[in-house]
Amino acid sequence: AQTVTQSQPEMSVQEAETVTLSCTYDTSENNYYLFWYKQPPSRQMILVIRQEAYKQQNATENRFSVNFQKAAKSFSLKISDSQLGDTAMYFCAFMKPPPNDMRFGAGTRLTVKP
Amino acid sequence: DVKVTQSSRYLVKRTGEKVFLECVQDMDHENMFWYRQDPGLGLRLIYFSYDVKMKEKGDIPEGYSVSREKKERFSLILESASTNQTSMYLCASSLSSGMRQYFGPGTRLTVT
Repeated sequence: AQTVTQSQPEMSVQEAETVTLSCTYDTSENNYYLFWYKQPPSRQMILVIRQEAYKQQNATENRFSVNFQKAAKSFSLKISDSQLGDTAMYFCAFMKPPPNDMRFGAGTRLTVKP
Repeated sequence: DVKVTQSSRYLVKRTGEKVFLECVQDMDHENMFWYRQDPGLGLRLIYFSYDVKMKEKGDIPEGYSVSREKKERFSLILESASTNQTSMYLCASSLSSGMRQYFGPGTRLTVT
């Protein structure tokens, strides 16, 4: 079974600065998908970014970007110009379809300080 | 926008009770999932379904069962609740292979 490891249980960053959250995974598959999800305090889990393993180009979504290193099985999330609303739990996730089930890391609690 | 709803935000049950958690999605998604979320463990997959009346075990199916009689509805059943099933339960759905999952707000279940 695939495993996902987030080695940073908690992180903090000053508002407007940049922070990088780490994620590694273990798989023997070649075709898969990787995700970062955000769970704000007492709110619903939402997608931050999605990466297709067969695409070499790193995905970006506004202030969020990933560094996808397929050979190293590494998928880190960079948040630029951090905002107070970025305070949340961040989960890295791996999916190999089919059958589309997803495996999550333990999460990183990010706090953005004013 | 996709909406995934769960029947309760908070639930308190006694040990040995049968518990039903319901999840409904409104976007005709093929796949539906049940996770439990515990501090330090992230989300762990309990069961998932890729079609009506189809179900697959996830990583921690023991003590749980599921039902999917209609495409939009996926129920998680705790046949005899135990205190170690106290947790946050999250439902999710996705359109098809490789696509993002949309999550419900979660049900925080306490078994006393």
